[in-house]
Amino acid sequence: QVHLVQSGAEVKKPGASVRVSCKVSGYTLTGLSKHWVRQAPGKGLEWMGNFDPEDGETIYARKFQGRVTLTEDTSTDTAYMELSSLRFEDTAVYYCASVRADGSFDLWGQGTLVTVSS
Amino acid sequence: DIQMTQSPSSLSASVGDRVTITCRASQSISSYLSWYQHSPGKAPKLLIYAASSLQSGVPSRFSGSGSGTDFTLTISSLQPEDFATYYCQQSYISPYSFGQGTKLEIK
Repeated sequence: QVHLVQSGAEVKKPGASVRVSCKVSGYTLTGLSKHWVRQAPGKGLEWMGNFDPEDGETIYARKFQGRVTLTEDTSTDTAYMELSSLRFEDTAVYYCASVRADGSFDLWGQGTLVTVSS
Repeated sequence: DIQMTQSPSSLSASVGDRVTITCRASQSISSYLSWYQHSPGKAPKLLIYAASSLQSGVPSRFSGSGSGTDFTLTISSLQPEDFATYYCQQSYISPYSFGQGTKLEIK
């Protein structure tokens, strides 16, 4: 069975960067297109971007362009989301999710809480 | 970007009730529409994909319909575990936008 296992909670100061990992087990990483979604406290789900393993391209939501970087390490079957220039409003739970051909997100990581606090 | 608008934003209902949540896209998305259930402290769970297909393992009381710009999620007989927040999401074109969510609460 395939699982997505994310790294643990982080506390960062404003202006810092954070990197969240998403390790795939039970399947080959390159077979799953990974997207990243976040949920800030009291807010809804927000799509951040995705890494397409077929062509190695990334697509970022306009809101995060210039601050977010999505990468994958096929040697360790791990995907990464790095968010820079953190602001208080980046405090959120960040999820990775795998996408099927129909576009639905069928598998999700357990979520990683990132807290931005001075 | 495609905007997804859900209604209502919140809904109070009782166990056994039938409830319907609607989702409207700002432009046609064919049937590239998914529905998710999200409970506090848990990861979102896929319920419906391709507008009307039931994800494996999801109870048959959940159903979806629609195409183009207008979609609905129906729960035929609410169970205690169904009280959560529901989101629609389009995957027709990036960014894969979500609706703002519908919080389903116990009356």
